[in-house]
Amino acid sequence: QVQLQESGPGLVKPSETLSLTCTVSGGSVSSASYYWSWIRQPPGKGLEWIGYIYYSGSTNYNPSLKSRVTISVDTSKNQFSLRLSSVTAADTAVYYCVRMYYYHSSGYYYHHHDFWGQGTLVTVSS
Amino acid sequence: EIVLTQSPGTLSLSPGDTATLSCRASQSVSSSDLAWYQQKPGQAPRLLIYGASSRATGIPDRFSGSGSGTDFTLTISRLEPEDFAVYYCQQYGSSLFTFGGGTKVEIK
Repeated sequence: QVQLQESGPGLVKPSETLSLTCTVSGGSVSSASYYWSWIRQPPGKGLEWIGYIYYSGSTNYNPSLKSRVTISVDTSKNQFSLRLSSVTAADTAVYYCVRMYYYHSSGYYYHHHDFWGQGTLVTVSS
Repeated sequence: EIVLTQSPGTLSLSPGDTATLSCRASQSVSSSDLAWYQQKPGQAPRLLIYGASSRATGIPDRFSGSGSGTDFTLTISRLEPEDFAVYYCQQYGSSLFTFGGGTKVEIK
């Protein structure tokens, strides 16, 4: 069974760049059926999708964060990463790396997040 | 951007009851791209339902999803103690995922 594990600093200063890496085990980031997402959740609040990447390097970002987000993939290490620049306290959240299953069946396209990392809390504070 | 509105915000029920959770979209959503997740305190969300009505692997049949267009429903029959949690709906449209604000199912 696939497992995802986030890693990176738990504390980032305002105006700096948040950097997280997700290591995938039990599966390959190069699998054709999957995209790899980052989703975040501020303490006590709901879920916000940040963006996703395909193993080819193709990306798609939430327009609300697009100017500050970069997601990259390293197929040799079976990892993908998130960088969020110019952070403020509003970026304090639990950050999840997630596998997104994509497939086509009977004329319909399916997209949903089937495996999640445990999440890592990133606090933005000086 | 498609906005998902979940109601009620909180549902107070007893074990054995049936929970009916609503997810309403600001515009029509493809049923194939509507999913439901369960989240317990301190845990990551877990996929329950995808394609509006298909149960994910290992999900008990007391969980069922239905709906189309702008109105979707998650029904939990015969609530078990482990079902008390927060539930989120999610859609994918115009190359963008959005989530509802969540419904908390709490023990009455």
